[in-house]
Amino acid sequence: QQPVQSPQAVILREGEDAVINCSSSKALYSVHWYRQKHGEAPVFLMILLKGGEQKGHEKISASFNEKKQQSSLYLTASQLSYSGTYFCGTEPLGWGKLQFGAGTQVVVTP
Amino acid sequence: NAGVMQNPRHLVRRRGQEARLRCSPMKGHSHVYWYRQLPEEGLKFMVYLQKENIIDESGMPKERFSAEFPKEGPSILRIQQVVRGDSAAYFCASSPPVLTGAHTGELFFGEGSRLTVL
Repeated sequence: QQPVQSPQAVILREGEDAVINCSSSKALYSVHWYRQKHGEAPVFLMILLKGGEQKGHEKISASFNEKKQQSSLYLTASQLSYSGTYFCGTEPLGWGKLQFGAGTQVVVTP
Repeated sequence: NAGVMQNPRHLVRRRGQEARLRCSPMKGHSHVYWYRQLPEEGLKFMVYLQKENIIDESGMPKERFSAEFPKEGPSILRIQQVVRGDSAAYFCASSPPVLTGAHTGELFFGEGSRLTVL
């Protein structure tokens, strides 16, 4: 069962912040975040393992609350290059099969 | 150090024809995953394979679709008797063996094969 992402889309001005949420009805082993630009392959951003950890990639960070089965991706001081569709992928069993959410389209304008 | 290679990048088929999509994983990767992406939608898991084994095909349609990853050569996703609803981007991803220290959790995606059914 695929995770649920919100919002579906967000428009930001350069320098603004945004939060993308991902929630699952199943207990999770890990949560993965990918970004895909139009017509390109999804690119790995980060993986969070159960334990409530946070991670960061440039000014993009994420948290994982395993009790709530939720993860949030934080875009801080957004840059034009952050535009794209962000997907969370959940891995219930911990052996490599990911179920992706429907994606959140992010548009960063000058 | 080539990444995941998919071909063809674009494929046009008429209804009823067969489509074959190929995926060569990254060097050293023995696990391959196929995902389908419909326009403006997310990635839907189709199948997970190791060399000569199908590990999980729970996302594959029951009919017309098949996948293999032979001992030698690329992984192939085969769609028989294509219909318009099969039009989509098909992405392949690879990873090192899961239960080893080499597996960090990251999937390495190819650039996709875009199938158009007329």
